[in-house]
Amino acid sequence: DAGVTQSPTHLIKTRGQQVTLRCSPKSGHDTVSWYQQALGQGPQFIFQYYEEEERQRGNFPDRFSGHQFPNYSSELNVNALLLGDSALYLCASSSVAGRGTDTQYFGPGTRLTVL
Amino acid sequence: AQSVTQLGSHVSVSEGALVLLRCNYSSSVPPYLFWYVQYPNQGLQLLLKYTTGATLVKGINGFEAEFKKSETSFHLTKPSAHMSDAAEYFCAVSPNRDDKIIFGKGTRLHILP
Repeated sequence: DAGVTQSPTHLIKTRGQQVTLRCSPKSGHDTVSWYQQALGQGPQFIFQYYEEEERQRGNFPDRFSGHQFPNYSSELNVNALLLGDSALYLCASSSVAGRGTDTQYFGPGTRLTVL
Repeated sequence: AQSVTQLGSHVSVSEGALVLLRCNYSSSVPPYLFWYVQYPNQGLQLLLKYTTGATLVKGINGFEAEFKKSETSFHLTKPSAHMSDAAEYFCAVSPNRDDKIIFGKGTRLHILP
């Protein structure tokens, strides 16, 4: 049973560019959350998707947007990249139907470097 | 608003000694509490979680944590440290299992030979 997978593993972009990160949830999970982890910090919640809709959002600007597909996979898009967007981006999946027995499982992350 | 405070950004213990990583939280509702571990250049792995019921929670790799509501604490312990325990540890809180998780800033655990 594959866990949460993310692609790409590493990415280098320049300021002003746009980037798309991808996440496939753990089998049986239908909810995807995205987190940003800056160097030396704890992860910070960006947003969560369920039933192809943004369910809740953290304190991130509109440059950060996302999408969830019918197969529950998800994308995180960041426009007009800033140096400060350099971070490890983590995807976590969970199951609404499994509430009471499950929790969020994290992928290995995508390391984004903005030059 | 919920928040998490981890006391000590770096903790060093000798191999075989007790590991104690401190975590205090604030929450307006009964929280769900978690400890995650992160090894270098990897994602987060769940060590243990408290949802309801028994306040002493046992996790993987010999770790355990105790939920103390009166102290708003959820400290992580392990009786005997191994070299392989060297990693970053994050305490986290969530109002429910599917809501956003709020993380502390992390504690880097160093194991001394």
